[in-house]
Amino acid sequence: DAMVIQNPRYQVTQFGKPVTLSCSQTLNHNVMYWYQQKSSQAPKLLFHYYDKDFNNEADTPDNFQSRRPNTSFCFLDIRSPGLGDAAMYLCATTGLAGVVSQYNEQFFGPGTRLTVL
Amino acid sequence: GNSVTQMEGPVTLSEEAFLTINCTYTATGYPSLFWYVQYPGEGLQLLLKATKADDKGSNKGFEATYRKETTSFHLEKGSVQVSDSAVYFCALNDYKLSFGAGTTVTVRA
Repeated sequence: DAMVIQNPRYQVTQFGKPVTLSCSQTLNHNVMYWYQQKSSQAPKLLFHYYDKDFNNEADTPDNFQSRRPNTSFCFLDIRSPGLGDAAMYLCATTGLAGVVSQYNEQFFGPGTRLTVL
Repeated sequence: GNSVTQMEGPVTLSEEAFLTINCTYTATGYPSLFWYVQYPGEGLQLLLKATKADDKGSNKGFEATYRKETTSFHLEKGSVQVSDSAVYFCALNDYKLSFGAGTTVTVRA
């Protein structure tokens, strides 16, 4: 089945040690998003890619970076994780064949739960 | 700007009870409206959606109607099951998703 895949599902890192989370999709969608979600709060958008164009949210800390080497893959890099970065990180996609509109739903992956020790 | 206000929980119900979760929105333009559901430890799944005024979205016994006059998109289910226990998010899509705060629903057997 076409889907959004996130690896790993659980990630433990140490304070200050760089970590990379992975997302892949088989939906051939143009847009890929990264969200941070804490304690059953609403997901908070960090940034998104429209094809290769990177769009950062104004309040996303510089500690968070992203890469999209091709249509299928997108990575979230946390350069120096702090205790406050412990959260669920969700990847989502939308926009098939270049059609991106307010009618489109976003398809979410299962998330990666990050623990910072 | 766009925003979504959602009834906060937690909500605890007995099986076969009627569920309503209120959602109102503020938006410029003509957004689509969604309800997403999140089961414990999982990502968000689309439950239902409506793309224009007076549209009714429905899925798995859940319904919501896009009411432009009251700027609302309330979620309802006539008879809940234990398996409906989850967090429910109302969301508005105007090229970006704006989420409500989420409502935790627990259904007791």
